[in-house]
Amino acid sequence: AQSVTQLGSHVSVSEGALVLLRCNYSSSVPPYLFWYVQYPNQGLQLLLKYTSAATLVKGINGFEAEFKKSETSFHLTKPSAHMSDAAEYFCAVSEGGSNYKLTFGKGTLLTVNP
Amino acid sequence: DAGVIQSPRHEVTEMGQEVTLRCKPISGHNSLFWYRQTMMRGLELLIYFNNNVPIDDSGMPEDRFSAKMPNASFSTLKIQPSEPRDSAVYFCASSQTGGNTEAFFGQGTRLTVV
Repeated sequence: AQSVTQLGSHVSVSEGALVLLRCNYSSSVPPYLFWYVQYPNQGLQLLLKYTSAATLVKGINGFEAEFKKSETSFHLTKPSAHMSDAAEYFCAVSEGGSNYKLTFGKGTLLTVNP
Repeated sequence: DAGVIQSPRHEVTEMGQEVTLRCKPISGHNSLFWYRQTMMRGLELLIYFNNNVPIDDSGMPEDRFSAKMPNASFSTLKIQPSEPRDSAVYFCASSQTGGNTEAFFGQGTRLTVV
């Protein structure tokens, strides 16, 4: 069975500082991995996805994530935080196949301080 | 495309009443998901459909919950009878089949059962 663990339910950074949100996954087959962002009172929108083409994936708004199979990790980073990055971030895993199922982590709330 | 459309956006109902949430997926998508989001439990997958057929309903909390997808462009999630602990935001999402494709989320229905 697939699962996702996000370390840290709340991360606080200063504007301009590095953002690092951690995600570890469990999957019985090579996974597909996703990061989504949720702004208040809105649905989730895709930041980036890993589909085995390249281990370093670049997404929208300056975010990127690196797939590390040996560590079963897919951490999300951004070199310099902006106030508009304040939101909740979700890591998700899919094992693919014809019956597609997307499993989410519990989310990390990112606060950006001026 | 207008994206995934959910209705209503907000629903307030009394305990014991029947509640029906509606979802129109993106045209051409053949996978549809219902998620529930609460502060305590995060984002939970309730059920997902592939080509209008329910594939996995193991996340449906109990028999009071039911979901249907009569055609490719419409799905409902029904709660009968509703209870205060059902209060949550319910999201519908759709995707094309295949683990490397992202799910697109609706804006959600905020359900309050009093």
